[in-house]
Amino acid sequence: GAGVSQTPSNKVTEKGKYVELRCDPISGHTALYWYRQSLGQGPEFLIYFQGTGAADDSGLPNDRFFAVRPEGSVSTLKIQRTERGDSAVYLCASRDPSTDTQYFGPGTRLTVL
Amino acid sequence: EDKVVQSPLSLVVHEGDTVTLNCSYEVTNFRSLLWYKQEKKAPTFLFMLTSSGIEKKSGRLSSILDKKELFSILNITATQTGDSAVYLCAVKDNYGQNFVFGPGTRLSVLP
Repeated sequence: GAGVSQTPSNKVTEKGKYVELRCDPISGHTALYWYRQSLGQGPEFLIYFQGTGAADDSGLPNDRFFAVRPEGSVSTLKIQRTERGDSAVYLCASRDPSTDTQYFGPGTRLTVL
Repeated sequence: EDKVVQSPLSLVVHEGDTVTLNCSYEVTNFRSLLWYKQEKKAPTFLFMLTSSGIEKKSGRLSSILDKKELFSILNITATQTGDSAVYLCAVKDNYGQNFVFGPGTRLSVLP
């Protein structure tokens, strides 16, 4: 079946711009996660959705970062006034409720110039 | 705060060698430990471990968990160049639904 998909695969933007990153989870997975991964490091938790609501947003680094999941399926991570330090791969994952296992999308590589 | 440490951070071997990757953790109320393989961008799931002493096996890969000593190992026998990747360990506790990842071990298998 279809896996987790993310668009775009690569995004290059200029400092100060606004970006949106999209995640389409596996059908039937109610839990959705966003992570950020910098070079040489493991994924760093950002936010977790259960259905439409953000159950845990403790990993969002500051108020420039925001995520939504209005219909409980597709999610969008929004970053305002991007900074060079935001450059990273942004990974999305959805969790299989029957096995409690996460499945990752291919990620979006964000580069802020 | 939950914490995951992996060692070594980097490892270079030749095809045919056997490797052991280590993952130690600190979790307040442990639920599960997961291993992933990351070749390019998307980590792919390998194993989930919840009970001590029960080995999970898939082909040349195997993993075991020790909940008393708070660690897990991932073994790869007869390594191949296609095993070259970053291997990530993650833990989950019973309180939330958050997964905490370690920094990963970068394995390079030379022909």
